[in-house]
Amino acid sequence: GEEVAQTPKHLVRGEGQKAKLYCAPIKGHSYVFWYQQVLKNEFKFLISFQNENVFDETGMPKERFSAKCLPNSPCSLEIQATKLEDSAVYFCASSHRRPLTSGGGNEQFFGPGTRLTVL
Amino acid sequence: AQSVAQPEDQVNVAEGNPLTVKCTYSVSGNPYLFWYVQYPNRGLQFLLKYITGDNLVKGSYGFEAEFNKSQTSFHLKKPSALVSDSALYFCAVRDTGATDSWGKFQFGAGTQVVVTP
Repeated sequence: GEEVAQTPKHLVRGEGQKAKLYCAPIKGHSYVFWYQQVLKNEFKFLISFQNENVFDETGMPKERFSAKCLPNSPCSLEIQATKLEDSAVYFCASSHRRPLTSGGGNEQFFGPGTRLTVL
Repeated sequence: AQSVAQPEDQVNVAEGNPLTVKCTYSVSGNPYLFWYVQYPNRGLQFLLKYITGDNLVKGSYGFEAEFNKSQTSFHLKKPSALVSDSALYFCAVRDTGATDSWGKFQFGAGTQVVVTP
């Protein structure tokens, strides 16, 4: 597709429950990024993929967060045992070509986000 | 480490007046700079970017931005603001000199623009 698709739009979980978010990047884009936007508008980078391979996971809280991008499937971000502070909007973005060897200047196209509320 | 500062939480401007949204950055290598806009309950929409070349970059919806290397700034401008420009604006940087930041964006905190009729 021509837009990044994210599902669901809203997700409500009780503390300690699992949450799974999905992202379908733009067709032909080989890079996928996940960001977390918290209440004060701050964007925090979580993880990026080059096709199905993890590219950069320096932002991931690894003890509870995991992500995958498998061939012919939407990418997913899973949070085990959610905590109150996980409440945020999670954005997926995709870009085409290699970020740096292409000049590094490819913009990322963002999906509409999934709003996760942990009660 | 790369960082981006948007010093103003909110900018208020009357419709028809010039609009400026400020952004300064800090990187170890050359910066790739981007502006995005976010409308309520929506994702980020790309406005423009500076990679190399002319310091003045023109983008979508009549916006432009000027890259100033000496001042490490990349301010967003629009000569005549519209009420529909009211939104949250984010500056982002990608640091080509940092090996630990390959690909990802560092975003500023965002600036709320309010354009009044």
